[in-house]
Amino acid sequence: DQQVKQNSPSLSVQEGRISILNCDYTNSMFDYFLWYKKYPAEGPTFLISISSIKDKNEDGRFTVFLNKSAKHLSLHIVPSQPGDSAVYFCAAKVIQGAQKLVFGQGTRLTINP
Amino acid sequence: NAGVMQNPRHLVRRRGQEARLRCSPMKGHSHVYWYRQLPEEGLKFMVYLQKENIIDESGMPKERFSAEFPKEGPSILRIQQVVRGDSAAYFCASSRKAGTSGYTDTQYFGPGTRLTVL
Repeated sequence: DQQVKQNSPSLSVQEGRISILNCDYTNSMFDYFLWYKKYPAEGPTFLISISSIKDKNEDGRFTVFLNKSAKHLSLHIVPSQPGDSAVYFCAAKVIQGAQKLVFGQGTRLTINP
Repeated sequence: NAGVMQNPRHLVRRRGQEARLRCSPMKGHSHVYWYRQLPEEGLKFMVYLQKENIIDESGMPKERFSAEFPKEGPSILRIQQVVRGDSAAYFCASSRKAGTSGYTDTQYFGPGTRLTVL
């Protein structure tokens, strides 16, 4: 069963515009969420995280929003830059439970000049 | 400040051979995690280890796969008698500590080992 879902396999955005990547989860026990960025032939790079006690966390151009009632989170990148082109993975975990991260399938973001 | 190191980066094995994947965590990190990524899929958790202890191996196949993190040296993921379905990218991550009392520590990933089974 897919506990973390990223329903958009790909997204194309114009440089300078906002990129919005979405993620849904089904396990209500998850209380910590992360976004990773991955370039081809490299490992995932941590971007930003959010605890379930918050509904927003911001770091520079990256903002993550969490809607617990809808079991939905999103990553906003503004303004989008060509170097943001990569695959973005959403991940979730239970802080006081198993330490494993449960990943979505990823969304390939392409920023067009 | 070296990050998580994995070697080899690419490994080719024939069916029935053994594959050994190595992971050295970031300096100061004592927790290691292994994940596997099949083509066009997300990463799937395999095993979580601390020094000399396997904490959670719930994602590890019951047969042919084993992992260790000795007191000295890197963590090793070992796959015996490889089959074509084992072809994947294997990623190691490390963290300083696990989450307790509402605290959690970020997992940082290595570059991965791409295993190809012929």
